[in-house]
This record gives sequence, structure tokens and C-alpha cells, in this order.
Amino acid sequence: AQKVTQAQTEISVVEKEDVTLDCVYETRDTTYYLFWYKQPPSGELVFLIRRNSFDEQNEISGRYSWNFQKSTSSFNFTITASQVVDSAVYFCALSEALNTGNQFYFGTGTSLTVIP
Amino acid sequence: KAGVTQTPRYLIKTRGQQVTLSCSPISGHRSVSWYQQTPGQGLQFLFEYFSETQRNKGNFPGRFSGRQFSNSRSEMNVSTLELGDSALYLCASSLAGITAYGYTFGSGTRLTVV
Repeated sequence: AQKVTQAQTEISVVEKEDVTLDCVYETRDTTYYLFWYKQPPSGELVFLIRRNSFDEQNEISGRYSWNFQKSTSSFNFTITASQVVDSAVYFCALSEALNTGNQFYFGTGTSLTVIP
Repeated sequence: KAGVTQTPRYLIKTRGQQVTLSCSPISGHRSVSWYQQTPGQGLQFLFEYFSETQRNKGNFPGRFSGRQFSNSRSEMNVSTLELGDSALYLCASSLAGITAYGYTFGSGTRLTVV
């Protein structure tokens, strides 16, 4: 079963618009960690944010913010005032604390295009 | 501080050949993980090494293997290449080997099997 679902395959926005990327996860662990990574055309996965299952406080970090809701198993990510440099593929990922070996379960990614 | 270095960046191999990919983690990092990224299957976990020991392995056939050296550098090997092995192979390293603390990814090796 898919542990992380990103229903949005592609999103296009005009520069300066806000954009929200959706992520729904599935786990039976009570302790787990959620991540957002960005993959630019160069290929590397760039870490953006991390949240643990015990902290549902939503925060803002610069132009990034996230909305973590355990009740709906969602971990949505918002970019405010988007810029062309934000164009990339964004991945939501889950790590389960009880899982030895520490692997990430990635969603299928959302390709974001910011149009100037 | 140097990041995670993967070599080579691009590779073209013929079906049936074998290939070895290399990953040099961030200095001091003891854990290295490998992921395969394809358009059809997305990012899938291959295996993870910590202090030269394989701690976890994903659901891949035995043709995929890896190892980690005492200096934490890691290699992965794919034998008897198939067309479906064409992918971006990403390596990630971590100091503590715990995903909660974060992993740093390299730029990957893009393997094309023809």
C-alpha cells in the first residue's frame, strides 16, 4: 500500500502567487517523521522541512509554511509569493521510527512550474 | 564542507553488463543509503549501510548489491543489467543514521541501459 500520496502531479502558478502542495500519509506507528524535499533539475534532493508526529504546531519559515494535521493524515506544504527558482519537483516523505534501517517512503512527487 | 559525491554522474551500459556506482558521504557521516528513481516507480529504497554493515534492504532482486568501506564510502553494484534498471540512483548520507535527523542527498548517477 502506498504510504505517501501526492495527488497533484503537476502544478503551474504565476510568479508571486501562493501555492500549496498536498501530501497524505499512512502509517501505524505512533512515532514518525514527515519531510518535504525539493528536487531541482540537477537531481539532488534538497531537504526543506521536517516534522515529528508529536508536534502538530504549524510554522512558517521564510516563504515556506506547512500544515500538519494528524486527524486527516495530511502534511501540506505552502510556498508564499512563489519565484521562478521554486520550479522543481517536490517530494513528501515519511520515516517510521520503529523501522530499523531508517528508510524514507517517498510520494510520487509534484512538479511545480512557476511562470514568470 | 563537501557534500555527498556520487560518481560517475552519467553512465551508459549495455544490457547484460554489470555496473558499479560510487558514493562518498559527507566527512564523518557513517550511514549511507541508496535509492533508485524511475518515472514509473518513483523513489524506491535500495539499501542502507551503517559502519560497514547493511542494516536494511529494499525489495530489489539479488542483482542489486552494495557495500560500505571503513572510510564510509559506499558502492552499489548491479549485475546482468536490464533495460528497466535505467534510472537515477541517489545516495544519501547521515551522521547518526537516523532519518529523523536528516539525510543529505547527492546529485545522483544517471544510468542508461541500452
